[in-house]
Order: sequence, then C-alpha cells, then structure tokens
Amino acid sequence: AQSVTQLDSHVSVSEGTPVLLRCNYSSSYSPSLFWYVQHPNKGLQLLLKYTSAATLVKGINGFEAEFKKSETSFHLTKPSAHMSDAAEYFCVVTFTGNQFYFGTGTSLTVIP
Amino acid sequence: GAVVSQHPSRVICKSGTSVKIECRSLDFQATTMFWYRQFPKKSLMLMATSNEGSKATYEQGVEKDKFLINHASLTLSTLTVTSAHPEDSSFYICSASSRDGIMQETQYFGPGTRLLVL
Repeated sequence: AQSVTQLDSHVSVSEGTPVLLRCNYSSSYSPSLFWYVQHPNKGLQLLLKYTSAATLVKGINGFEAEFKKSETSFHLTKPSAHMSDAAEYFCVVTFTGNQFYFGTGTSLTVIP
Repeated sequence: GAVVSQHPSRVICKSGTSVKIECRSLDFQATTMFWYRQFPKKSLMLMATSNEGSKATYEQGVEKDKFLINHASLTLSTLTVTSAHPEDSSFYICSASSRDGIMQETQYFGPGTRLLVL
C-alpha cells in the first residue's frame, strides 16, 4: 500500500536557525513527491517537487528537499528560518499522477 | 504560471440553500481537477476527482448528490453544495493538474473558499 508520513505534527525553531521537516513514504513504485505550504486561511502553495530528476531539489523561499530512495524519505530543509516561514507544511506523493496521498501536515512555528 | 482561482473566497448562507463554488485554471488547461475539504488544523480530505467532460469520481463517504461537481471545460470546475447544513461549514479547496509537459503530475491549488452555513 502507498502512504506518506510526516513524522512531526509540530516543529518549533528560532528565527535564523535551520528547519527540518520530515517526510517518509512507502511504496514499491517510483514516486513523485511534493512539498506544499499553507498559510492560515489560504490555499496551498507549491514549494518544490521531485519527479525523478536530480535528487536534491531546490524550491522557493530558500527551501530544498532531498529524495533518498534507500531511506524512502523526502525531508524539507531550510538553512535559516524566517518569521514568514511559520505555516503548515504538507508532504504529498503520487505514483500515477492521478491519485495523490497527503501527509497529515507539520505546523512550523518560528520563535523570534 | 499555473494559477488557480476560486470564487467566492467566503460565503455565508442559510441552512437549506445551495451554494456554488467555482474553480478556474487561469493560464493552463486543467485536464483534472480535485476538490478537497479541510477541517480546522487538519489535513486535506479529498472529496472527488473530476476529469474534463466526464463524471466526477467521488471518494468513499462523500455524497455525490449533495456535493455536485461539474467539470464542463478545461478551465472551469464547479462544486455545488446542495441543501447546505451547518455541518457542511468548512474550507473547500480545489486544485488542478494538467497532463502537459512539466505540469504533469503536479497539483496547483486555489486559494480556498470558506463556507459558513447558519
């Protein structure tokens, strides 16, 4: 069965420190993976996506993620958190392009 | 590129009335559109998937007679909540994807519609 797991429901970091949001998937197929960000009462904005090209993917706002097949992971990172990064982050995986699996979300708090 | 709009952004209606929410892809042709519902502090719940020109595929537990979905063109899908009740109050989000080129397999989300049923 295919699924995606976000290991942390809440992450708090101090402004200027690194951010790590974890995502693992389970599947026997080759996935396409996405990270989306959602600010309060807003839709989801695509941060970055992996679709079988380079395993290190750079996205918007300084975020990047690395696809590690051996670990079935696609963790999202940013070297230095900004106050505006406080939001909900969703890891999404698809194997067919028709069906998408959402993680339960990670709420990021940035402490001034 | 890849902008999806939703209208209205917020709507308040009386119990028993119907509400229509529009989802438009503004700069690409959306072969597939998805409708989600999101409860406070929760992830998105997929309600249905619609392909242009064909009937929507509803997820288990979603009443297709209550949540009518129409995907009549490659740039427009509508969700109609019929005979709305307070428990239908929620944040409804649409997304669109295309089979074309680099947009393939990527969902682009609308800004969401906040529905409040009194």
